[in-house]
Amino acid sequence: DVKVTQSSRYLVKRTGEKVFLECVQDMDHENMFWYRQDPGLGLRLIYFSYDVKMKEKGDIPEGYSVSREKKERFSLILESASTNQTSMYLCASSFGLGTLEQYFGPGTRLTVT
Amino acid sequence: SQQGEEDPQALSIQEGENATMNCSYKTSINNLQWYRQNSGRGLVHLILIRSNEREKHSGRLRVTLDTSKKSSSLLITASRAADTASYFCAGLLGANSKLTFGKGITLSVRP
Repeated sequence: DVKVTQSSRYLVKRTGEKVFLECVQDMDHENMFWYRQDPGLGLRLIYFSYDVKMKEKGDIPEGYSVSREKKERFSLILESASTNQTSMYLCASSFGLGTLEQYFGPGTRLTVT
Repeated sequence: SQQGEEDPQALSIQEGENATMNCSYKTSINNLQWYRQNSGRGLVHLILIRSNEREKHSGRLRVTLDTSKKSSSLLITASRAADTASYFCAGLLGANSKLTFGKGITLSVRP
């Protein structure tokens, strides 16, 4: 079975903290994605990566960075957390280029106080 | 930017009835996908329809695609309480693997 795991289901951080969200997939997928999900806004793409050490900005990259040192792991970094980054963060992966579906992790609900 | 826009935003039906959800999109796509999300969880892929296909079936799911109208519909037949979830359409643009999601439809199936 395809599996995407995220390091935490729930996370509470303070404003200004540096936050790391980790995502690991066990399917040898080339592509990995980070989304945030907010009520009324749906899923919005933050960053994605097609290969190790490669990254591309999504629709809302401001305030975030990513790291992909190994194929199976894609990290999302909030350099200085702010309250408007309180959200559900979803990681996904997919195989190759083109038409195949994405597999999602269970999500991390981050609260920044 | 949002590629898919689902309609209606919320739908409530009785168990056993059919549920129809619609999605419109703005630009040309390679394929359109539908996903389900149970409350507080990640998304699960349901079905994919390519731009050169008009209709596809998978179990109780039927999806149609009209590229001239830039729209798709997802039909769930003989709904069950377990179908209660949010449903998202997502369009795949170009040759890369980037999906653009709509805002989702909340489906409630009453027992």
